[in-house]
Amino acid sequence: QKEVEQDPGPLSVPEGAIVSLNCTYSNSAFQYFMWYRQYSRKGPELLMYTYSSGNKEDGRFTAQVDKSSKYISLFIRDSQPSDSATYLCAMKRDNYGQNFVFGPGTRLSVLP
Amino acid sequence: EPEVTQTPSHQVTQMGQEVILRCVPISNHLYFYWYRQILGQKVEFLVSFYNNEISEKSEIFDDQFSVERPDGSNFTLKIRSTKLEDSAMYFCAKTFANTGELFFGEGSRLTVL
Repeated sequence: QKEVEQDPGPLSVPEGAIVSLNCTYSNSAFQYFMWYRQYSRKGPELLMYTYSSGNKEDGRFTAQVDKSSKYISLFIRDSQPSDSATYLCAMKRDNYGQNFVFGPGTRLSVLP
Repeated sequence: EPEVTQTPSHQVTQMGQEVILRCVPISNHLYFYWYRQILGQKVEFLVSFYNNEISEKSEIFDDQFSVERPDGSNFTLKIRSTKLEDSAMYFCAKTFANTGELFFGEGSRLTVL
């Protein structure tokens, strides 16, 4: 079983739709969870950061972490064509090295 | 937003040549990282650097790789003898203290011919 899994997509939605992106993971030691947006041939851009379980909202973005299910989600409300990118989840163990583990990414296309 | 400047943005090299990729973090943070992303694949951890020493490294980071912070500001990744499979985007990253907020540079694209 891979350590972090994501549906690679592509996921196509119409402009204005609510987008749900998800990751599952196998290592229960992960404590820090992040979502990144990556445009083609660019560096990943940090969108959301969550510690342990819970929800966090920032503008149109909401991150959810369910540690009991080893499942994290990113919701994008009122999606825009500029949201078209690859979305990466990442996580790391609490105070155990610096090795952030990334999912393979989900490619999202928001159609005007 | 914290800045990480990487040079060169793109380098083309012949197999077997040495390559040095550079990273200039704007402010003085303790933890620095190099990550690699082969085209179409996931971002992979190479090495973390803390207090001017390697803190952790992955199995990818073998003897052909080395990292340095030669002058207290630049942070370099050296690949001694490049192979075709080293072609990838290489990202420098940093964190604030020991939190999960990892910030990336724009990357250096390495093409090995």
